Amino acid sequence: DGGITQSPKYLFRKEGQNVTLSCEQNLNHDAMYWYRQDPGQGLRLIYYSQIVNDFQKGDIAEGYSVSREKKESFPLTVTSAQKNPTAFYLCASSLRKGIGTGELFFGEGSRLTVL
Amino acid sequence: QKEVEQDPGPLSVPEGAIVSLNCTYSNSAFQYFMWYRQYSRKGPELLMYTYSSGNKEDGRFTAQVDKSSKYISLFIRDSQPSDSATYLCAMSAGGYSSASKIIFGSGTRLSIRP
Repeated sequence: DGGITQSPKYLFRKEGQNVTLSCEQNLNHDAMYWYRQDPGQGLRLIYYSQIVNDFQKGDIAEGYSVSREKKESFPLTVTSAQKNPTAFYLCASSLRKGIGTGELFFGEGSRLTVL
Repeated sequence: QKEVEQDPGPLSVPEGAIVSLNCTYSNSAFQYFMWYRQYSRKGPELLMYTYSSGNKEDGRFTAQVDKSSKYISLFIRDSQPSDSATYLCAMSAGGYSSASKIIFGSGTRLSIRP
């Protein structure tokens, strides 16, 4: 079955540690995205990539980093510079490269808790 | 003012009722409109996708877009307990630049009582 796989589902981190969230898709989609979801707020775009080896900052990129070395993979690193990292992180992909036109397919999410 | 406004609810209705979920927006350039359903602790899934104004029907679900009023709606007929979820509206102007990104509402939590 085609889809998006995020791991881990739950992650606990101590303050000052970097963590990497994995996102893999087998939908052959060009574009991939990372969103952050907090209670009572809409999804906020962290980073997006429309093609391999290229990515762009979203609205809340500070304290995060990404890479896009393969079409299927778009890992997100939450660095110690992110001041409030506890959140639900969602990875998505879309077939079309235009970031506003694509129907988004989401993974199951990764819940990060900073202790 | 947020670009997209959505009543957070919670909204509780009896099984079989017609549900109306709504969003308003301020950016007149928006032309792609979507509704996503999100179950607890899961990722959102696309329910409806419409371009420009008008209605679109899919089974028990109907999406309406009124660009003149900057208002979109999702109607659920014959609501079922399995429809209990958070519903997110989303919209965009389309295109390739970061200014074209999809903007999400904060979501309405819906509960269908058996």
